[in-house]
Amino acid sequence: LAKTTQPISMDSYEGQEVNITCSHNNIATNDYITWYQQFPSQGPRFIIQGYKTKVTNEVASLFIPADRKSSTLSLPRVSLSDTAVYYCLVGDMSNTGFQKLVFGTGTRLLVSP
Amino acid sequence: NAGVTQTPKFRVLKTGQSMTLLCAQDMNHEYMYWYRQDPGMGLRLIHYSVGEGTTAKGEVPDGYNVSRLKKQNFLLGLESAAPSQTSVYFCASSQLAGDEQYFGPGTRLTVT
Repeated sequence: LAKTTQPISMDSYEGQEVNITCSHNNIATNDYITWYQQFPSQGPRFIIQGYKTKVTNEVASLFIPADRKSSTLSLPRVSLSDTAVYYCLVGDMSNTGFQKLVFGTGTRLLVSP
Repeated sequence: NAGVTQTPKFRVLKTGQSMTLLCAQDMNHEYMYWYRQDPGMGLRLIHYSVGEGTTAKGEVPDGYNVSRLKKQNFLLGLESAAPSQTSVYFCASSQLAGDEQYFGPGTRLTVT
């Protein structure tokens, strides 16, 4: 099971781009990288998932280098409403591996005016 | 389309009491999960189900039981509550293993 390491917290200002990096040195061949966002008193919400290179959707981009030992979630032009905890999950998406996915303590992002 | 709903939202139990938390999803998802979240910690998987009539243990199953009698419902039971089970409980569902999980709003449980 790939262990992940993320910064405990990050600060930013409205309008800036925020990059949150997750380290997963022992990622396995079948592992995918998934990011979730959690607001206070709510359940986590899926942001993005990828396997290699770059994935982009309407809210974020996920950059994964060739060695896949780390990944970076990029949030363009953050607003106050992006203040939340962000979780990086690494794991096998198969029927036998998915239950080993672990939500770590995440990165607490604070966006200020 | 309500997504994933949880009942109740809050509950206070005395040590030794029992209760059942109900999770319901209207997305016809096969997989359902129960997590707990404690202060300063991430979510930990308690039990999960890969389909109607099936259940399996997750990372922290002790002290909990689950049932999935209907595809849309996943029940989490505490037979004899302990203060260590004070936590926020989240239910989630997904169509396939590893798919995006949809989470409910959570149940805040306090055991005194």
